[in-house]
Amino acid sequence: DAGVTQSPTHLIKTRGQQVTLRCSPKSGHDTVSWYQQALGQGPQFIFQYYEEEERQRGNFPDRFSGHQFPNYSSELNVNALLLGDSALYLCASSFLRGPTYEQYFGPGTRLTVT
Amino acid sequence: AQSVSQHNHHVILSEAASLELGCNYSYGGTVNLFWYVQYPGQHLQLLLKYFSGDPLVKGIKGFEAEFIKSKFSFNLRKPSVQWSDTAEYFCAVNKGSQGNLIFGKGTKLSVKP
Repeated sequence: DAGVTQSPTHLIKTRGQQVTLRCSPKSGHDTVSWYQQALGQGPQFIFQYYEEEERQRGNFPDRFSGHQFPNYSSELNVNALLLGDSALYLCASSFLRGPTYEQYFGPGTRLTVT
Repeated sequence: AQSVSQHNHHVILSEAASLELGCNYSYGGTVNLFWYVQYPGQHLQLLLKYFSGDPLVKGIKGFEAEFIKSKFSFNLRKPSVQWSDTAEYFCAVNKGSQGNLIFGKGTKLSVKP
């Protein structure tokens, strides 16, 4: 049973560019959440997708957008990259109507903005 | 605003020492509580969780945590740590049916052999 997978593993971009990160959820899960983990900090919630729609959003600017596909996989897009966007981006999947609300995390994508 | 506080940034212990990592949250309603662990070079893994019932919950690898509602706390404990417990530990909270997890800043645990 494959867990949550993310691609790419590492990415280096220049300030002002755009980036797309990808996530495939754990088998049987229908909900994908994205988190940003800056160095030395805990993960911060960006947004969550369910049934191909954004269900919740954290305190992140509109430069951060996402998408969920019919197969439940998801993309995170960041436009007009800033140096401060450098972080580990984590994807977590879950089953929204399950008896316990657990999120399973992927290995993350390390984004460096220069 | 809701927040999760982890009292210790870095804890250094010798093998066989007992461990207690503090976690306090600010939200007053119904919450679900979690401890996640991140071993060096690995992804976040769920260590244990509390949803309801017995406030003393047991997780993997001998860890346990106690939910004390009156103190808004969910401290993590282990009677005897091993070198392999060296990792970063994160406490997290979510509210009822809401999906987003609110994490603390994490506590780095270093266990000396």
